Amino acid sequence: DVKVTQSSRYLVKRTGEKVFLECVQDMDHENMFWYRQDPGLGLRLIYFSYDVKMKEKGDIPEGYSVSREKKERFSLILESASTNQTSMYLCASLGPYEQYFGPGTRLTVT
Amino acid sequence: GQSLEQPSEVTAVEGAIVQINCTYQTSGFYGLSWYQQHDGGAPTFLSYNALDGLEETGRFSSFLSRSDSYGYLLLQELQMKDSASYFCAVSLIKAAGNKLTFGGGTRVLVKP
Repeated sequence: DVKVTQSSRYLVKRTGEKVFLECVQDMDHENMFWYRQDPGLGLRLIYFSYDVKMKEKGDIPEGYSVSREKKERFSLILESASTNQTSMYLCASLGPYEQYFGPGTRLTVT
Repeated sequence: GQSLEQPSEVTAVEGAIVQINCTYQTSGFYGLSWYQQHDGGAPTFLSYNALDGLEETGRFSSFLSRSDSYGYLLLQELQMKDSASYFCAVSLIKAAGNKLTFGGGTRVLVKP
């Protein structure tokens, strides 16, 4: 079974802090994604990566950056957290037909 | 811009049939996927349609009409465990499941 893990299920940070969300997949997938999920808005793509050190902006990249130094690991960085970044963050990797999602990190910025 | 429209909520009883419609307006299109998400859980893949027509997987079927920019997910013989949110998603890159744009989700509530 494909496994996608995320470093934390719940995280509470203060406004202005730098936040790192880590994602690891164990299936040697090339493509990985970061989404945020908010009620009624579905999943919105923040960034994706199609290879090590390669990244592309998604639909809502403002306020975020990413890092992919190793194939199995894709990190999302909030340079200076703000309250409007309070959300559920989901990581995914791409298999033959579908994306496999991690359990999500619920981030609260106070 | 990209937009996918699906109903926000559907309620049905056990054993019934539910159809969740999805209409899309996107700058590219290579296929339509459906994902299921239980409360507190991660989305999981249900189906993928790249060509027009019906794909059947057990109790669930998915349909696509590219000319109408429309698809649907059909849930048959509803069970309590089918209570979840269902998302349609369009592939914007020519590879199944890649660079997806998601709809807002349809919450399905199954009652006894």
